[in-house]
Amino acid sequence: AQSVTQLDSQVPVFEEAPVELRCNYSSSVSVYLFWYVQYPNQGLQLLLKYLSGSTLVKGINGFEAEFNKSQTSFHLRKPSVHISDTAEYFCAVSETGANNLFFGTGTRLTVIP
Amino acid sequence: DAGVTQSPTHLIKTRGQHVTLRCSPISGHKSVSWYQQVLGQGPQFIFQYYEKEERGRGNFPDRFSARQFPNYSSELNVNALLLGDSALYLCASSLLGTGIAYEQYFGPGTRLTVT
Repeated sequence: AQSVTQLDSQVPVFEEAPVELRCNYSSSVSVYLFWYVQYPNQGLQLLLKYLSGSTLVKGINGFEAEFNKSQTSFHLRKPSVHISDTAEYFCAVSETGANNLFFGTGTRLTVIP
Repeated sequence: DAGVTQSPTHLIKTRGQHVTLRCSPISGHKSVSWYQQVLGQGPQFIFQYYEKEERGRGNFPDRFSARQFPNYSSELNVNALLLGDSALYLCASSLLGTGIAYEQYFGPGTRLTVT
């Protein structure tokens, strides 16, 4: 079975500062990894995903994440955040070839002007 | 092209009642999955349907059921509502029926409040 841990429930950061949202996962099999963003009163939007290949994954809106197999981590980073990045961010994992996702509890990113 | 649509957007029900939530997948997509997102938590997988057959089920009681129609739209039914069923219910559509976790498109959700 898989599980996802997002250690930070809330992350406040000033506008134009860098940010890292942490995600660790647990699985006994090979996995796919995902980051989703959820804006207030909206559904989930895929930011980026790791399926295979390069461990550095670039996504939409200037976000990137790095898959670290030895540390079972998939941290999300952005070098300079904007007010519009204020949202809830969810890390998710699935077994390769699986049909469903396991989500973490989310990290609320608040960008301060 | 329209994305995944869900109806209604908001719903208020009383404990013990029954509720039906609806989802229309992206045109051409044949798989629909349902997730429950309780406030302050991440989404949890409830069901997956492909070609009108159940292909996966999460750890939810039998009060939860679903079905998929020939046009690939889907309904999620919850009987004997409990306060704990209050949540955002998300629908996700996929083109294929297996190995779809990597390619799911989520709708805006239905917010269910049970009083």
